[in-house]
Amino acid sequence: EDQVTQSPEALRLQEGESSSLNCSYTVSGLRGLFWYRQDPGKGPEFLFTLYSAGEEKEKERLKATLTKKESFLHITAPKPEDSATYLCAVQANTDKLIFGTGTRLQVFP
Amino acid sequence: ETGVTQSPTHLIKTRGQQVTLRCSSQSGHNTVSWYQQALGQGPQFIFQYYREEENGRGNFPPRFSGLQFPNYSSELNVNALELDDSALYLCASSLDGEGYTFGSGTRLTVV
Repeated sequence: EDQVTQSPEALRLQEGESSSLNCSYTVSGLRGLFWYRQDPGKGPEFLFTLYSAGEEKEKERLKATLTKKESFLHITAPKPEDSATYLCAVQANTDKLIFGTGTRLQVFP
Repeated sequence: ETGVTQSPTHLIKTRGQQVTLRCSSQSGHNTVSWYQQALGQGPQFIFQYYREEENGRGNFPPRFSGLQFPNYSSELNVNALELDDSALYLCASSLDGEGYTFGSGTRLTVV
């Protein structure tokens, strides 16, 4: 069965303290792995799509990487405005997205 | 280019009632998916419509149904509401199932 597991569930960082979020997945025939940011009470906001092992993408303080079994979202020198829940999702042979439960990130000044 | 818009933003219903949620897809998108997100959980796939036909369904009972219209907007209907149906309902649109854009959601509370 296709499955996505994210860790940690919650992460508290001091402003400027870099860290990584993990997304482990089991899927038959990966079409794409997606990272979204979600603020409370809002819909997910698209960050990255990764398609094959070894691929990396960057946007401001965020960098996403992909291997055959997991993806990492690296956050460099985070700011309080980076506080949000970060969701990972995979798309397999069907069009639907399978989401993890997310990592709730809090960045303190 | 407009994004995905959902209405209403909040809704309170009584157990046993019926509800209709609406979604306008992003310009140029022909595929609409609906997701249910319970508090503290990731979104769960309900179903997807492509060019007015349902082409995928998750593990939700038949009382969850939908429509897609010729302009690619969509409705989610839920009959016989239960307390556990309380959640954030998200609509996402894409072009041919690639690159999903989500709306801000409808917060449904069943009392």
